[in-house]
Amino acid sequence: GAGVSQSPSNKVTEKGKDVELRCDPISGHTALYWYRQSLGQGLEFLIYFQGNSAPDKSGLPSDRFSAERTGGSVSTLTIQRTQQEDSAVYLCASSLAGETGELFFGEGSRLTVL
Amino acid sequence: AQSVAQPEDQVNVAEGNPLTVKCTYSVSGNPYLFWYVQYPNRGLQFLLKYITGDNLVKGSYGFEAEFNKSQTSFHLKKPSALVSDSALYFCAVRPRRGSSYKLIFGSGTRLLVRP
Repeated sequence: GAGVSQSPSNKVTEKGKDVELRCDPISGHTALYWYRQSLGQGLEFLIYFQGNSAPDKSGLPSDRFSAERTGGSVSTLTIQRTQQEDSAVYLCASSLAGETGELFFGEGSRLTVL
Repeated sequence: AQSVAQPEDQVNVAEGNPLTVKCTYSVSGNPYLFWYVQYPNRGLQFLLKYITGDNLVKGSYGFEAEFNKSQTSFHLKKPSALVSDSALYFCAVRPRRGSSYKLIFGSGTRLLVRP
């Protein structure tokens, strides 16, 4: 497709389980971002990938969170031993290289931890 | 610390009236400034951005924003609101310096346009 694709769109899991969220960016976009949007909250930055540079992981809330980007394209956000406070919508965005480029967002993955 | 403030959780306006959604920032230097909109059950969409030049920036759907360096503000405006403008609006900034191009978002302002 032409836009950013995220899967799954909805995920319900039990506390303590691991989850993987996938993001397929727009073809040709070298920058990829993960954000988290909790109910009634703004967007919380998690991690940023740019080409082959080391990712900016400064927003990851704990060591239970990790992300990788394979081949400069698809990215996977992994949350280990999920907690109820991890429940949120996880948004992925991509953009062209450069500091003035706007982000193109996917529809998000809604995670519910029971 | 770098931050973006959207002081109003919600803005209510009648259709046809002008609207303003406020945004101020605390970022060193002259950052790049953005507005995004999130319609119900949809992803965020880019509205407009300020890079340099004219302080009044025009964007999608008739929206515009005014950059004020002395007040470190970037308020979103529209001369005549539509009911279909009802959505969640986010202001965002990206510092000009540094190795990371991460975008820092405000908490969002819900705009409700009544018929």
